[in-house]
Amino acid sequence: GQSLEQPSEVTAVEGAIVQINCTYQTSGFYGLSWYQQHDGGAPTFLSYNALDGLEETGRFSSFLSRSDSYGYLLLQELQMKDSASYFCAVLRDDKIIFGKGTRLHILP
Amino acid sequence: ETGVTQTPRHLVMGMTNKKSLKCEQHLGHNAMYWYKQSAKKPLELMFVYNFKEQTENNSVPSRFSPECPNSSHLFLHLHTLQPEDSALYLCASSLTSGGDNEQFFGPGTRLTVL
Repeated sequence: GQSLEQPSEVTAVEGAIVQINCTYQTSGFYGLSWYQQHDGGAPTFLSYNALDGLEETGRFSSFLSRSDSYGYLLLQELQMKDSASYFCAVLRDDKIIFGKGTRLHILP
Repeated sequence: ETGVTQTPRHLVMGMTNKKSLKCEQHLGHNAMYWYKQSAKKPLELMFVYNFKEQTENNSVPSRFSPECPNSSHLFLHLHTLQPEDSALYLCASSLTSGGDNEQFFGPGTRLTVL
C-alpha cells in the first residue's frame, strides 16, 4: 500500500523556526513535494525534492532522505501570514498523492 | 491568481439534480486534474487528463463524469449525488502529467449536496 504521515497540527511563535515532518511508504517513488493552503484558498506549490538533501527557497527549505522515506519542510523567521495548512505529497509513477496536511498555528 | 479558474465557486444541489463544474487554464499546460478535498481528509485525486486523454480514474463513482474537450478546459458532470459528496472540488493543471511538474490549482468549487 501507500501512506503519508504528517502531524495534524503544529504551533510556533512569530519569528521562530518550525519543522514539519513527513514520512511516506510507497512504491515507484519519484520525489516529495510540499504545498501550502490558506483557509479558503487553493493549494500552492512550495518545493520539490527528487534527490536527498536540502533545497532552500528564501525562508522555506525542504529536505529529503530517500533511504529513510522521510522529508521535512523548514520555515524560518515565521510570519503571521505563514499560518496555513502544509501538505506533503509524494510523486509516484504518473500521479501525486497528498498527505492529510499539517495545520500551522503562529502565535504573536 | 494561478492561471486556473473554476466556476461556479459555490454550488448547492439536490440529490436528483444534474450540474457541471468547469475548469479553465490559461497556462499552456497539457495535463489537468480533478481533486476532492473533504474535511480532515487528504486531497483525493479523482481524474487525470494528459493531452485530452484520460490517464487516471481513481475508482471514482460513475455519478461523477469528467469531460476534457481540449487541453485548456475540463468539466466534471454531476448527477444523482449523495450528501457525502459534499466537499471542495479542486481543479489543477501542469505542463504534463509525469515527473516533477508543479501543479497549479484553481480556487475550487464548494459543493453542498442536500
